Amino acid sequence: KQEVTQIPAALSVPEGENLVLNCSFTDSAIYNLQWFRQDPGKGLTSLLLIQSSQREQTSGRLNASLDKSSGRSTLYIAASQPGDSATYLCAVRDNFNKFYFGSGTKLNVKP
Amino acid sequence: GAVVSQHPSWVICKSGTSVKIECRSLDFQATTMFWYRQFPKQSLMLMATSNEGSKATYEQGVEKDKFLINHASLTLSTLTVTSAHPEDSSFYICSANSLAALQTTYNEQFFGPGTRLTVL
Repeated sequence: KQEVTQIPAALSVPEGENLVLNCSFTDSAIYNLQWFRQDPGKGLTSLLLIQSSQREQTSGRLNASLDKSSGRSTLYIAASQPGDSATYLCAVRDNFNKFYFGSGTKLNVKP
Repeated sequence: GAVVSQHPSWVICKSGTSVKIECRSLDFQATTMFWYRQFPKQSLMLMATSNEGSKATYEQGVEKDKFLINHASLTLSTLTVTSAHPEDSSFYICSANSLAALQTTYNEQFFGPGTRLTVL
């Protein structure tokens, strides 16, 4: 069964720092990998989706990479802002359309 | 992107009552929908796969008689929590798979905003 792990569980940084969130998964037979943002008590906001054949995706200050063979993905956030404070979830989708979520990284960006 | 809605967004009920949660795909048809739940400070866990016109498929450890799923149309799936108890209090999120959603080329799956259930 697919297991998704995210490190670190929590991260606190001053505004303006560049940071990296890590995600690892145990089964490399994935359809795609997606990074989400979740604000307290809210649903999911999709940030980046990487297909299994892709190596990375970029959107604004966000860049996500995927190394399927090693079972790893990273989310890079450049020039962090207080508004980036949220929990970031990594999820892998298998070939049966099921998502497996990591436990998340809770990010706090201090002004 | 495509939109998935959930209703209600939050509900409070007494122990022993049943609660129905709706998941709708607003601008696309979804033959398959998925139901997840998220306990406080935990990640999302898949509960079941809802298939239009057939029985839902439940993940291991999820009681199918307690969590009734109906997917009667291509745009609506419902989750009914029967005889709810305080331990059922959770955040329930659905997602829907679209092959023909607007502006998508990758068979993207879209998530609803979630329903917070509190059982007293």
